[in-house]
Amino acid sequence: NAGVMQNPRHLVRRRGQEARLRCSPMKGHSHVYWYRQLPEEGLKFMVYLQKENIIDESGMPKERFSAEFPKEGPSILRIQQVVRGDSAAYFCASSPDRGNLRNQPQHFGDGTRLSIL
Amino acid sequence: GDSVTQMEGPVTLSEEACLTINCTYTATGYPSLFWYVQYPGEGLQLLLKATKADDKGSNKGFEATYRKETTSFHLEKGSVQVSDSAVYFCALSEKAAGNKLTFGGGTRVLVKP
Repeated sequence: NAGVMQNPRHLVRRRGQEARLRCSPMKGHSHVYWYRQLPEEGLKFMVYLQKENIIDESGMPKERFSAEFPKEGPSILRIQQVVRGDSAAYFCASSPDRGNLRNQPQHFGDGTRLSIL
Repeated sequence: GDSVTQMEGPVTLSEEACLTINCTYTATGYPSLFWYVQYPGEGLQLLLKATKADDKGSNKGFEATYRKETTSFHLEKGSVQVSDSAVYFCALSEKAAGNKLTFGGGTRVLVKP
Protein backbone atom coordinates (compact mmCIF):
# COMPACT_ATOMS: atom_id res chain seq x y z
CA ASN A 1 0.00 0.00 0.00
CA ALA A 2 1.75 3.10 -1.24
CA GLY A 3 2.01 6.07 1.06
CA VAL A 4 0.93 9.63 0.36
CA MET A 5 2.51 10.65 -2.93
CA GLN A 6 3.40 14.23 -3.66
CA ASN A 7 4.89 15.64 -6.83
CA PRO A 8 7.00 17.27 -7.81
CA ARG A 9 9.51 16.95 -4.95
CA HIS A 10 11.14 20.19 -5.96
CA LEU A 11 9.62 23.04 -7.96
CA VAL A 12 11.31 26.23 -9.07
CA ARG A 13 9.28 29.15 -10.34
CA ARG A 14 9.95 32.78 -11.19
CA ARG A 15 7.96 35.55 -9.58
CA GLY A 16 4.59 35.93 -11.26
CA GLN A 17 4.35 32.35 -12.51
CA GLU A 18 1.89 29.71 -11.34
CA ALA A 19 2.77 26.72 -9.15
CA ARG A 20 0.74 23.51 -9.08
CA LEU A 21 1.41 20.96 -6.36
CA ARG A 22 -0.14 17.50 -6.50
CA CYS A 23 -1.04 15.05 -3.78
CA SER A 24 -2.36 11.51 -4.10
CA PRO A 25 -3.63 10.25 -0.75
CA MET A 26 -3.21 6.73 0.49
CA LYS A 27 -5.66 4.17 -0.82
CA GLY A 28 -8.88 4.27 1.17
CA HIS A 29 -8.27 7.82 2.39
CA SER A 30 -10.68 10.54 1.38
CA HIS A 31 -9.57 13.24 3.85
CA VAL A 32 -6.73 15.45 2.60
CA TYR A 33 -4.93 18.22 4.49
CA TRP A 34 -2.37 20.70 3.18
CA TYR A 35 0.28 22.31 5.41
CA ARG A 36 3.04 24.82 4.75
CA GLN A 37 6.42 24.79 6.44
CA LEU A 38 8.52 27.92 6.25
CA PRO A 39 12.29 27.52 6.80
CA GLU A 40 13.15 26.60 10.39
CA GLU A 41 9.48 26.72 11.45
CA GLY A 42 6.72 24.29 12.26
CA LEU A 43 3.95 23.31 9.91
CA LYS A 44 0.92 25.56 9.54
CA PHE A 45 -2.47 24.26 8.45
CA MET A 46 -3.77 25.59 5.16
CA VAL A 47 -6.81 23.64 3.98
CA TYR A 48 -8.82 20.47 4.62
CA LEU A 49 -10.67 18.75 1.79
CA GLN A 50 -12.85 15.71 1.44
CA LYS A 51 -13.62 14.42 -2.02
CA GLU A 52 -14.91 17.33 -4.12
CA ASN A 53 -15.53 19.48 -1.03
CA ILE A 54 -13.50 22.07 0.84
CA ILE A 55 -14.26 21.52 4.51
CA ASP A 56 -11.98 24.10 6.13
CA GLU A 57 -9.84 26.69 4.34
CA SER A 58 -9.22 28.91 7.34
CA GLY A 59 -5.43 28.68 6.88
CA MET A 60 -5.38 29.63 3.21
CA PRO A 61 -4.21 33.10 2.19
CA LYS A 62 -7.19 35.04 0.86
CA GLU A 63 -5.64 35.68 -2.55
CA ARG A 64 -3.69 33.66 -5.11
CA PHE A 65 -4.09 30.30 -3.33
CA SER A 66 -6.68 27.65 -4.15
CA ALA A 67 -7.13 23.93 -3.59
CA GLU A 68 -9.25 21.19 -5.05
CA PHE A 69 -9.77 17.48 -4.62
CA PRO A 70 -11.75 16.17 -7.60
CA LYS A 71 -13.70 12.95 -7.68
CA GLU A 72 -11.01 11.42 -9.86
CA GLY A 73 -7.32 12.26 -9.56
CA PRO A 74 -5.06 13.91 -7.03
CA SER A 75 -5.63 16.90 -4.85
CA ILE A 76 -4.10 20.08 -6.28
CA LEU A 77 -2.78 23.11 -4.42
CA ARG A 78 -2.50 26.01 -6.85
CA ILE A 79 -0.59 29.22 -6.24
CA GLN A 80 -1.02 31.97 -8.81
CA GLN A 81 1.41 34.83 -9.39
CA VAL A 82 3.96 33.46 -6.96
CA VAL A 83 6.10 35.79 -4.82
CA ARG A 84 9.35 35.20 -2.94
CA GLY A 85 7.46 34.71 0.32
CA ASP A 86 5.75 31.63 -1.11
CA SER A 87 9.05 29.75 -0.92
CA ALA A 88 8.44 26.92 1.52
CA ALA A 89 7.87 23.20 1.83
CA TYR A 90 4.27 22.19 1.23
CA PHE A 91 3.09 18.98 2.80
CA CYS A 92 0.00 16.95 2.14
CA ALA A 93 -1.48 14.51 4.64
CA SER A 94 -4.37 12.08 4.41
CA SER A 95 -6.45 10.12 6.86
CA PRO A 96 -8.74 7.14 6.37
CA ASP A 97 -12.45 7.06 5.73
CA ARG A 98 -13.41 4.55 8.37
CA GLY A 99 -13.48 4.74 12.13
CA ASN A 100 -13.44 7.63 14.55
CA LEU A 101 -11.71 10.46 12.75
CA ARG A 102 -10.50 11.81 16.07
CA ASN A 103 -8.29 8.78 16.61
CA GLN A 104 -7.01 8.47 13.06
CA PRO A 105 -3.49 9.84 12.61
CA GLN A 106 -2.65 11.74 9.48
CA HIS A 107 -0.11 10.21 7.12
CA PHE A 108 2.24 12.67 5.46
CA GLY A 109 3.87 12.80 2.06
CA ASP A 110 7.49 13.81 1.59
CA GLY A 111 6.48 17.31 0.55
CA THR A 112 7.10 19.67 -2.35
CA ARG A 113 9.85 22.20 -1.86
CA LEU A 114 8.91 25.35 -3.75
CA SER A 115 11.60 27.88 -4.56
CA ILE A 116 10.77 31.26 -6.06
CA LEU A 117 13.50 33.03 -7.99
CA GLY B 1 -7.40 29.36 19.41
CA ASP B 2 -5.42 26.18 19.85
CA SER B 3 -1.66 26.40 20.25
CA VAL B 4 1.33 24.17 21.01
CA THR B 5 4.56 25.30 22.62
CA GLN B 6 7.66 23.16 22.67
CA MET B 7 11.19 23.79 23.78
CA GLU B 8 13.47 25.33 21.25
CA GLY B 9 16.51 23.53 20.00
CA PRO B 10 18.91 22.54 18.94
CA VAL B 11 19.38 19.90 21.56
CA THR B 12 22.78 18.21 21.34
CA LEU B 13 23.34 14.94 23.17
CA SER B 14 25.83 12.13 23.34
CA GLU B 15 24.77 8.62 22.41
CA GLU B 16 23.01 6.76 25.28
CA ALA B 17 22.06 10.02 27.01
CA CYS B 18 18.49 10.71 28.19
CA LEU B 19 16.28 12.94 26.07
CA THR B 20 13.34 15.05 27.20
CA ILE B 21 11.50 17.50 24.95
CA ASN B 22 8.88 19.58 26.72
CA CYS B 23 5.54 20.27 25.09
CA THR B 24 2.56 22.18 26.47
CA TYR B 25 -0.70 23.00 24.74
CA THR B 26 -3.73 25.24 24.83
CA ALA B 27 -7.00 23.91 23.48
CA THR B 28 -10.65 24.84 23.72
CA GLY B 29 -11.86 21.26 23.79
CA TYR B 30 -10.44 17.83 24.46
CA PRO B 31 -7.68 17.27 21.93
CA SER B 32 -5.74 14.25 20.74
CA LEU B 33 -1.98 14.70 21.11
CA PHE B 34 0.81 13.55 18.80
CA TRP B 35 4.55 13.51 18.36
CA TYR B 36 5.84 13.50 14.79
CA VAL B 37 9.47 13.11 13.67
CA GLN B 38 11.00 14.60 10.53
CA TYR B 39 14.25 13.34 9.06
CA PRO B 40 16.18 15.59 6.64
CA GLY B 41 14.45 15.99 3.29
CA GLU B 42 11.48 13.87 4.28
CA GLY B 43 7.92 14.30 5.43
CA LEU B 44 6.63 13.80 8.93
CA GLN B 45 6.26 10.37 10.44
CA LEU B 46 3.95 9.66 13.33
CA LEU B 47 6.04 8.68 16.36
CA LEU B 48 3.32 8.22 18.96
CA LYS B 49 -0.09 9.49 20.03
CA ALA B 50 -2.48 9.71 22.97
CA THR B 51 -6.18 10.43 22.76
CA LYS B 52 -7.28 10.86 26.37
CA ALA B 53 -5.96 11.97 29.74
CA ASP B 54 -3.34 9.73 31.38
CA ASP B 55 -2.85 7.74 28.16
CA LYS B 56 0.79 6.93 27.49
CA GLY B 57 1.94 6.72 23.89
CA SER B 58 5.10 4.76 23.18
CA ASN B 59 7.13 3.70 20.16
CA LYS B 60 10.79 2.90 19.40
CA GLY B 61 11.80 3.60 23.00
CA PHE B 62 10.06 7.00 23.07
CA GLU B 63 7.25 7.73 25.53
CA ALA B 64 4.88 10.60 26.25
CA THR B 65 2.00 10.83 28.74
CA TYR B 66 -1.11 12.97 28.21
CA ARG B 67 -1.29 15.20 31.31
CA LYS B 68 -4.55 17.11 31.31
CA GLU B 69 -3.89 18.84 34.63
CA THR B 70 -0.67 20.41 33.37
CA THR B 71 -1.73 20.48 29.67
CA SER B 72 1.53 18.78 28.77
CA PHE B 73 2.77 15.94 26.57
CA HIS B 74 6.53 15.75 27.13
CA LEU B 75 8.55 13.35 24.96
CA GLU B 76 11.17 11.15 26.65
CA LYS B 77 13.70 8.52 25.69
CA GLY B 78 16.04 6.88 28.12
CA SER B 79 18.95 6.17 25.80
CA VAL B 80 19.26 7.92 22.45
CA GLN B 81 21.07 6.71 19.35
CA VAL B 82 22.72 8.63 16.51
CA SER B 83 19.80 7.55 14.31
CA ASP B 84 17.43 9.55 16.56
CA SER B 85 18.89 12.78 15.16
CA ALA B 86 15.91 14.57 13.61
CA VAL B 87 13.38 17.34 14.18
CA TYR B 88 10.55 16.45 16.55
CA PHE B 89 7.13 18.11 16.40
CA CYS B 90 4.45 18.09 19.06
CA ALA B 91 0.93 18.51 17.70
CA LEU B 92 -2.72 18.42 18.67
CA SER B 93 -5.97 17.92 16.83
CA GLU B 94 -9.56 18.55 17.80
CA LYS B 95 -12.62 16.87 16.33
CA ALA B 96 -14.50 20.17 16.42
CA ALA B 97 -11.81 21.67 14.21
CA GLY B 98 -12.01 18.91 11.61
CA ASN B 99 -9.00 17.17 13.11
CA LYS B 100 -6.55 19.54 11.48
CA LEU B 101 -3.21 19.43 13.24
CA THR B 102 -1.80 22.37 15.17
CA PHE B 103 1.98 22.04 15.46
CA GLY B 104 4.63 23.34 17.78
CA GLY B 105 7.69 24.97 16.25
CA GLY B 106 9.75 21.79 16.28
CA THR B 107 12.87 20.80 18.22
CA ARG B 108 16.01 19.77 16.38
CA VAL B 109 17.88 16.96 18.13
CA LEU B 110 21.46 16.06 17.28
CA VAL B 111 22.95 12.91 18.80
CA LYS B 112 26.72 12.61 18.60
CA PRO B 113 28.58 9.28 18.74
